Amino acid sequence: GESVGLHLPTLSVQEGDNSIINCAYSNSASDYFIWYKQESGKGPQFIIDIRSNMDKRQGQRVTVLLNKTVKHLSLQIAATQPGDSAVYFCAENYGKGHSGAGSYQLTFGKGTKLSVIP
Amino acid sequence: DAGVIQSPRHEVTEMGQEVTLRCKPISGHNSLFWYRQTMMRGLELLIYFNNNVPIDDSGMPEDRFSAKMPNASFSTLKIQPSEPRDSAVYFCASSPRQGGTEAFFGQGTRLTVV
Repeated sequence: GESVGLHLPTLSVQEGDNSIINCAYSNSASDYFIWYKQESGKGPQFIIDIRSNMDKRQGQRVTVLLNKTVKHLSLQIAATQPGDSAVYFCAENYGKGHSGAGSYQLTFGKGTKLSVIP
Repeated sequence: DAGVIQSPRHEVTEMGQEVTLRCKPISGHNSLFWYRQTMMRGLELLIYFNNNVPIDDSGMPEDRFSAKMPNASFSTLKIQPSEPRDSAVYFCASSPRQGGTEAFFGQGTRLTVV
């Protein structure tokens, strides 16, 4: 698959432990944030999202925290499993104000490679 | 639902040749995106369609790249002529909502230009 893991920050976690992946975003006007998971040879897969009017959102085994003051986003994975091994991307979204279309563009971070140690 | 379908999965071509990448979005989705992924630049948005109309093509690198969406179930990304620096994984994504929220990605096409 695509070698997106090379040169990326890497987080190694023991199976069963919790993982925390961090992301700093750039645009203070961004109002919507998404975490994606990309396994080797596959496309990014939506995990969880959060709007800027929230600071925490929980899903199944995952929690996203948003700190708008410092423009920081984190993804917490509880009881990390080998199947969680992948590259994780945060993406920010802000309206571009195209008339009639309300176009929004996703800007992706560089990604973090999560390796789960059995 | 089969998800976003891209073809081919892999393409190897010689410099100067025309390359056409294909995408079938998820039925009912009215937003479609083409992204390029490289190690150096990560995921970059090339072009965004809404209701088959190109809305934002500011990410298209140069005139060698063109994209079309003749109907709601099909889109193409064409590179003519191709160059080695075009080598990357190209992803198509679709979204049920206007814009990029909750986009669903295809498996990608790995393009190698030699």
